[in-house]
Amino acid sequence: QSVLTQPPSASGTPGQRVTISCSGSSSNIGSNTVNWYQQLPGTAPKLLIYSNNHRPSGVPDRFSGSKSGTSASLAISGLQSEDEADYYCAAWDDSLKGLYVFGTGTKVTVL
Amino acid sequence: EVQLVQSGAEVKKPGESLKISCKGSGYSFTSYWIGWVRQMPGKGLEWMGIIYPADSDTRYSPSFQGQVAISADKSISTAYLQWSSLKASDTAMYYCARQGQGGALGYWGQGTLVTVSS
Repeated sequence: QSVLTQPPSASGTPGQRVTISCSGSSSNIGSNTVNWYQQLPGTAPKLLIYSNNHRPSGVPDRFSGSKSGTSASLAISGLQSEDEADYYCAAWDDSLKGLYVFGTGTKVTVL
Repeated sequence: EVQLVQSGAEVKKPGESLKISCKGSGYSFTSYWIGWVRQMPGKGLEWMGIIYPADSDTRYSPSFQGQVAISADKSISTAYLQWSSLKASDTAMYYCARQGQGGALGYWGQGTLVTVSS
């Protein structure tokens, strides 16, 4: 069902910068804003970035988002051990009367 | 404080019916859409559908249309996800989440694990 494509994995050492890509189409990322979610092991997902590049209260500024055309990216700077989690992009899709689509998910490992 | 509290884990047999719940508190329940998300074991997130509790306007993902029913009772600030005949493939964690800024799902329930096994 996922129409947003992410790399299955990414990794880095503590302090490094890690970037996760999210590729979509004109009906989703190309037409709507992108949100990012973090899912720590065994927990519910948590909103990390909304409207392409806005952080909810309490989210560290180490996390940043961007969007260009039909793609988006999440960057984690100053990687920390507690950032080891699954990350999902998501966007509303204007096809089929509108539905919300998640990306395939990226597992970030802190080496 | 915004909270979404979901009902507890369920173990069911194939063919049985089930209704799980998601109770909102700390905000105006009728002012925000509530969505449901499935996560099968070891897999990613799948958006199932969404409901606006004020008038029960409901939208479904084509993948889940006809397979589940989403409803809400605004008098008790509770949204529901219902199956009439469960299948083993319905085994998953189910999350409810409140839509907010930018259409994002800003607040999530703790999840309800549904296990369907004979």
